[in-house]
Amino acid sequence: NAGVMQNPRHLVRRRGQEARLRCSPMKGHSHVYWYRQLPEEGLKFMVYLQKENIIDESGMPKERFSAEFPKEGPSILRIQQVVRGDSAAYFCASSPPALKNTEAFFGQGTRLTVV
Amino acid sequence: RKEVEQDPGPFNVPEGATVAFNCTYSNSASQSFFWYRQDCRKEPKLLMSVYSSGNEDGRFTAQLNRASQYISLLIRDSKLSDSATYLCVACENSGYSTLTFGKGTMLLVSP
Repeated sequence: NAGVMQNPRHLVRRRGQEARLRCSPMKGHSHVYWYRQLPEEGLKFMVYLQKENIIDESGMPKERFSAEFPKEGPSILRIQQVVRGDSAAYFCASSPPALKNTEAFFGQGTRLTVV
Repeated sequence: RKEVEQDPGPFNVPEGATVAFNCTYSNSASQSFFWYRQDCRKEPKLLMSVYSSGNEDGRFTAQLNRASQYISLLIRDSKLSDSATYLCVACENSGYSTLTFGKGTMLLVSP
């Protein structure tokens, strides 16, 4: 049973380009969470999705950031017109259908560097 | 604002030492608590859940004080491999598992 798979592991983009980060949850998991870890900071929640639905996007920046989890395929976190401040590690986590105290399993992350 | 506060450290201890980390949380609606471990440039991994009655897993003991909104982690007989950043995490459990992370406490265990 493969774990949470994220790709790419490392992504370099020039300012103004688009970044697309992909996350495939663990088998049997239908809930996906995206977190961002800025340098020297803790992980911050961005968005929670179920298949074809955004459940909670309270942590998403208002502009340039979007997320989806289509019926088929991985969840995508999309950052348009990247700026240097977007450089961070982006972690995806998945969990089975929500139960109390359910552990969320994290992928290895995508390290985005904006140059 | 929902926050989890931790001493960033680093805590420098020799092998075999006992070390304790503390953390406080501000959201009184938090219901579940965890300690995660994060190695340098790696993903966080669950170390243990924290229960009101306190719980132990080998050399690790976690305690929760709901009245003070305070969580602790005790590591006995430290190993070199315990060197990592320890993340205190609270979860509101509002139907799903959105986690609020502290910035982490760094532990360095030396020979």
